[in-house]
Amino acid sequence: GENVEQHPSTLSVQEGDSAVIKCTYSDSASNYFPWYKQELGKRPQLIIDIRSNVGEKKDQRIAVTLNKTAKHFSLHITETQPEDSAVYFCAASKPGNQFYFGTGTSLTVIP
Amino acid sequence: DTAVSQTPKYLVTQMGNDKSIKCEQNLGHDTMYWYKQDSKKFLKIMFSYNNKELIINETVPNRFSPKSPDKAHLNLHINSLELGDSAVYFCASSHDIGNTEAFFGQGTRLTVV
Repeated sequence: GENVEQHPSTLSVQEGDSAVIKCTYSDSASNYFPWYKQELGKRPQLIIDIRSNVGEKKDQRIAVTLNKTAKHFSLHITETQPEDSAVYFCAASKPGNQFYFGTGTSLTVIP
Repeated sequence: DTAVSQTPKYLVTQMGNDKSIKCEQNLGHDTMYWYKQDSKKFLKIMFSYNNKELIINETVPNRFSPKSPDKAHLNLHINSLELGDSAVYFCASSHDIGNTEAFFGQGTRLTVV
């Protein structure tokens, strides 16, 4: 099955700085890569996703990049704000198969 | 209107008891999931159902039995609860399996004492 690795496990940044979270996957057939944000005591919620036919996708301060050859994808958050503090999960999947989640990154934005 | 709702939100019970968690989605999705999130925050898939049929059953003890009476509901019954079952259990749904956004319920924090 798929194996998704996520780094770092914890990340602290100053407010206004950028944050980058990286994931690798093992199954070359995976073609859907969502990112979820989970605030303390809340449910995971999708913040951005990318499919394998696209190399980069942006949504305001959030961007995701995908390198299919190297089988890795990254989440970039620019101009971080305290409300960005949360646990972020990457995931990989393919049609007909379940989501495989990374182990999560706890992001703390220091005011 | 809550898209994916699960009850109860908190559940405290003694070892050896049997308990159920209910999940309902009003999104018209075909696929529903149960995830277990332990204290280290790892989201582990337990079961996936598509159109009321079990698609994926990861390595989960037989004490855990999902039931899907219809596409909108996926309940989780747990027999003979153990201390290690303490975790947050999330129900989720998606339009199809593995290819579109999954919507999560608010979670059920199960504490076994």
